[in-house]
Amino acid sequence: ETGVTQSPTHLIKTRGQQVTLRCSSQSGHNTVSWYQQALGQGPQFIFQYYREEENGRGNFPPRFSGLQFPNYSSELNVNALELDDSALYLCASSLGVQGGAGELFFGEGSRLTVL
Amino acid sequence: GNSVTQMEGPVTLSEEAFLTINCTYTATGYPSLFWYVQYPGEGLQLLLKATKADDKGSNKGFEATYRKETTSFHLEKGSVQVSDSAVYFCARNYGGSQGNLIFGKGTKLSVKP
Repeated sequence: ETGVTQSPTHLIKTRGQQVTLRCSSQSGHNTVSWYQQALGQGPQFIFQYYREEENGRGNFPPRFSGLQFPNYSSELNVNALELDDSALYLCASSLGVQGGAGELFFGEGSRLTVL
Repeated sequence: GNSVTQMEGPVTLSEEAFLTINCTYTATGYPSLFWYVQYPGEGLQLLLKATKADDKGSNKGFEATYRKETTSFHLEKGSVQVSDSAVYFCARNYGGSQGNLIFGKGTKLSVKP
């Protein structure tokens, strides 16, 4: 069973640039959620994708967008990068969207530094 | 509001000591509650969960009981090991959505031999 994999593991961008982060979900999982984890903080929910559509969004501006592909992998895109976007971005996969008590399986994250 | 508050770390204990990490939540309704753990160099992983009042989640010697009256979900372990050194996150779900979790800030635990 393949776990959740994310790429790249580290990257550095400058203000105003755009970034794309990628996530492959765990085998058999059809739902992907993205989180932002600032240094010393807990992860914050960005959005969730199910059946290639956004299915829930946290308090993040529209410049944070995503995609889910037919194989359930996903991308997180951030436009017009700001210094405060520097964080660890976590992808988590799960099976289904409802119920509220299922386990999320997290990748190790992509660490983004914005200079 | 909807939030999760957990005790600030870092927490440093000697091996075989008793561990408590406090966690309280605010919510309308009755969310599911979780403890996730992040070992050094690894991704977050579920440690235990509870889905309704008075449920007790347990795993690897850790326990937490869903207390509706005190809106708490404190993590306990009777005898910690060096291998328990990690960052522990308390979380609740939001809106019945499986993927939308609200996390606390995390508590770093270091266990010394």
